[in-house]
Amino acid sequence: DAKTTQPNSMESNEEEPVHLPCNHSTISGTDYIHWYRQLPSQGPEYVIHGLTSNVNNRMASLAIAEDRKSSTLILHRATLRDAAVYYCILCWTGANSKLTFGKGITLSVRP
Amino acid sequence: GAVVSQHPSRVICKSGTSVKIECRSLDFQATTMFWYRQFPKQSLMLMATSNEGSKATYEQGVEKDKFLINHASLTLSTLTVTSAHPEDSSFYICSARDLWGGTEAFFGQGTRLTVV
Repeated sequence: DAKTTQPNSMESNEEEPVHLPCNHSTISGTDYIHWYRQLPSQGPEYVIHGLTSNVNNRMASLAIAEDRKSSTLILHRATLRDAAVYYCILCWTGANSKLTFGKGITLSVRP
Repeated sequence: GAVVSQHPSRVICKSGTSVKIECRSLDFQATTMFWYRQFPKQSLMLMATSNEGSKATYEQGVEKDKFLINHASLTLSTLTVTSAHPEDSSFYICSARDLWGGTEAFFGQGTRLTVV
């Protein structure tokens, strides 16, 4: 599996935008970039995914570099409920494709 | 949205006993489900891929005779921790994708297993 690299942690202020970076220099042409987050004592939840173009949904935006070797998850207005571990994962699409979790980035949100 | 339900959410058992954890997809079908284990302050580690109607595929280092997986229908997979020991105490999480749907994976709420 292609590897991703994320900072260990990041702090933000409530109601401000947050940019969470992810490097994936060995990404292959068929790899999608997925983001999941895990709140304490819960299973992960899907945030967003993309292939080449930037993506927006109700939770976040995903900005993908033109060479696809990096991406940034953008939370437009952080809330206290956004405090979680965010995982950037590469995998191909398909019901039986595995998600391999790295260490993720721990986001803290200050009130 | 799609939901994966895991049961029980917490279980305490004695050493040497077996514990069964259920993972159900409530409103979609899944030919493949995944089982993860997570120790405190660590990331999720994939244990095995559960395949409906066939044998599970285990990741390297995971004992298949200790962690029995059964995927008897398109909506149910079970993980049985046999002869549990204190070192098996962990947070177990299942995941599935809609057979007919998109890329999004859905996760159960997790099962906190404590072996005493």
